Amino acid sequence: KNEVEQSPQNLTAQEGEFITINCSYSVGISALHWLQQHPGGGIVSLFMLSSGKKKHGRLIATINIQEKHSSLHITASHPRDSAVYICAVVLQAAGNKLTFGGGTRVLVKP
Amino acid sequence: KAGVTQTPRYLIKTRGQQVTLSCSPISGHRSVSWYQQTPGQGLQFLFEYFSETQRNKGNFPGRFSGRQFSNSRSEMNVSTLELGDSALYLCASSLTSGFYNEQFFGPGTRLTVL
Repeated sequence: KNEVEQSPQNLTAQEGEFITINCSYSVGISALHWLQQHPGGGIVSLFMLSSGKKKHGRLIATINIQEKHSSLHITASHPRDSAVYICAVVLQAAGNKLTFGGGTRVLVKP
Repeated sequence: KAGVTQTPRYLIKTRGQQVTLSCSPISGHRSVSWYQQTPGQGLQFLFEYFSETQRNKGNFPGRFSGRQFSNSRSEMNVSTLELGDSALYLCASSLTSGFYNEQFFGPGTRLTVL
């Protein structure tokens, strides 16, 4: 079983819809990152969380350390949000290695 | 401020050869980490360097190695290339070690092993 699981694997939404991507992990972590990867490979860091909630523009990220779960929400989705969203956790037991989820491919249709 | 740069952007090698990839971090960043991305395995952590010292290493064979110079630039080397080493290799830089800061990724080097 992977230490980091993301759901769904693929998601299609209409422009303007609210999108939620989930990330669950099975071991103790010290931080969690949400990343965005556009076609062509470039990766952009969206959030780094160790507790609570962060908001940047139309993006909101939350984390519940006790439940070992994080969510990334996209409000008022736009075609330019089409990308792969990747959750990455900093594993405490592994000496702070970064371990990645499999990614969620999001397509927002106009 | 210039972003993270990686050279070369594309590379074609044959089995058995070795390859060296370069990563220049954002000015002032002292941590550089390396990642391999393949369609089958996704993103995997290779290693992290901070102040010229390897701080962390992923589960890759010893054919994968790296180093960091005093100006924080980093190189990774893969010896005795195998077909399975074909991948996008990404580096990222950040201010400090340990992944508690925002990671800034480079555009990647796409390596094809024939």
